[in-house]
Amino acid sequence: DTEVTQTPKHLVMGMTNKKSLKCEQHMGHRAMYWYKQKAKKPPELMFVYSYEKLSINESVPSRFSPECPNSSLLNLHLHALQPEDSALYLCASSQDWSVYGYTFGSGTRLTVV
Amino acid sequence: AQKVTQAQTEISVVEKEDVTLDCVYETRDTTYYLFWYKQPPSGELVFLIRRNSFDEQNEISGRYSWNFQKSTSSFNFTITASQVVDSAVYFCALSEAAAPSGAGSYQLTFGKGTKLSVIP
Repeated sequence: DTEVTQTPKHLVMGMTNKKSLKCEQHMGHRAMYWYKQKAKKPPELMFVYSYEKLSINESVPSRFSPECPNSSLLNLHLHALQPEDSALYLCASSQDWSVYGYTFGSGTRLTVV
Repeated sequence: AQKVTQAQTEISVVEKEDVTLDCVYETRDTTYYLFWYKQPPSGELVFLIRRNSFDEQNEISGRYSWNFQKSTSSFNFTITASQVVDSAVYFCALSEAAAPSGAGSYQLTFGKGTKLSVIP
């Protein structure tokens, strides 16, 4: 299995809702990442987990809460989001420097209404 | 701090034309990695190539080729005989090997991307 699987693919949520994005990989990668990509912009790093520990939080607002329950799973819990948080959320994983580098999931397209 | 510049915001070519996408990077490290990703309208990032800083050999894969020149800090990407399916946004990205972000993890710094439209 050489994939990073993200669910759901699309999500519409209200500003008072609580939802979660899920990311799963079974490649034995020990680093997992959340990126946010606004329309017509490059991906921007949000969080990095290394060996299930949060190692980077790029000054992300607390309404985004990451969780890494085990080495294969990465969640992003969302609460009280704003319309400007609407974006494509990409999960990625990596393990050292294989020839395939990072592996990205196909993303969750989030719309906050 | 590392930086990636893709000066071409949008490019349009007619099918079967060759097209080169430019990428210029800045880094203080001597060991680093460069990537190209393709992002079609469906949104997923498709890995195209990785090159480490010690390997300046150019690479060809089918209609794709990459020209890495450390002297000019450039890693350009050429598509030969372009096809409509090549229409996408292409990102160049840089990662330094000595990741400060924790053992076994690496941050990618992306350029702003070049939108390529191939017209039939």
